[in-house]
Amino acid sequence: EVQLVESGGGLVKPGGSLRLSCAASGFTFSSYSMNWVRQAPGKGLEWVSSISSSSSYIYYADSVKGRFTISRDNAKNSLYLQMNSLRAEDTAVYYCARDPKARTTTPYYFDYWGQGTLVTVSS
Amino acid sequence: EIVMTQSPATLSVSPGERATLSCRASQSVSSNLAWYQQKPGQAPRLLIYGASTRATGIPARFSGSGSGTEFTLTISSLQSEDFAVYYCQQYNNWPPRTFGQGTKVEIK
Repeated sequence: EVQLVESGGGLVKPGGSLRLSCAASGFTFSSYSMNWVRQAPGKGLEWVSSISSSSSYIYYADSVKGRFTISRDNAKNSLYLQMNSLRAEDTAVYYCARDPKARTTTPYYFDYWGQGTLVTVSS
Repeated sequence: EIVMTQSPATLSVSPGERATLSCRASQSVSSNLAWYQQKPGQAPRLLIYGASTRATGIPARFSGSGSGTEFTLTISSLQSEDFAVYYCQQYNNWPPRTFGQGTKVEIK
């Protein structure tokens, strides 16, 4: 069974930093591209960042480019999101989500999602 | 960036009735469109990909259609567990992969 479990969320002041983690199990993590998708309170879904299976291809939404860094450790079956210079508008539930096709760098839809971790940016 | 527009924002439907949700893309996304269902406090769940292919375990009452810029999600006979928010998402032109703003299906 595919499982994605996010952690690392919490309350942080504007300008602060936070590192999110996603622990994956139930599939060959090293074969799949992975993503972060966020949802502000009461709002819709926003794709944040993607990383290919070998970390060769990395993409960011314009809203986080230069502030967030996605990475992965295939030996630990883990995905990360380093978030710096946080703003109030970054307040959201952050979901870890998997691309559906192994061994491809072409982005598709998201077939499995974690339960999310809440990041609150407030003074 | 491709903008996805869903309509209506809220759909009031009685259990057992048919629900039809629309999603429009600002430019053609071919058939590279997915639908998700999200219930309160839960993560989104993949329903449909490739505009019309049901994901694993999704009941046959959910169907998707369309291509290019116009797409439809139909729930043939609403069950109590189907009342939720539904999102469409394009993956034809990226980055970014973009979502619609959602349609809430509520009990009439």
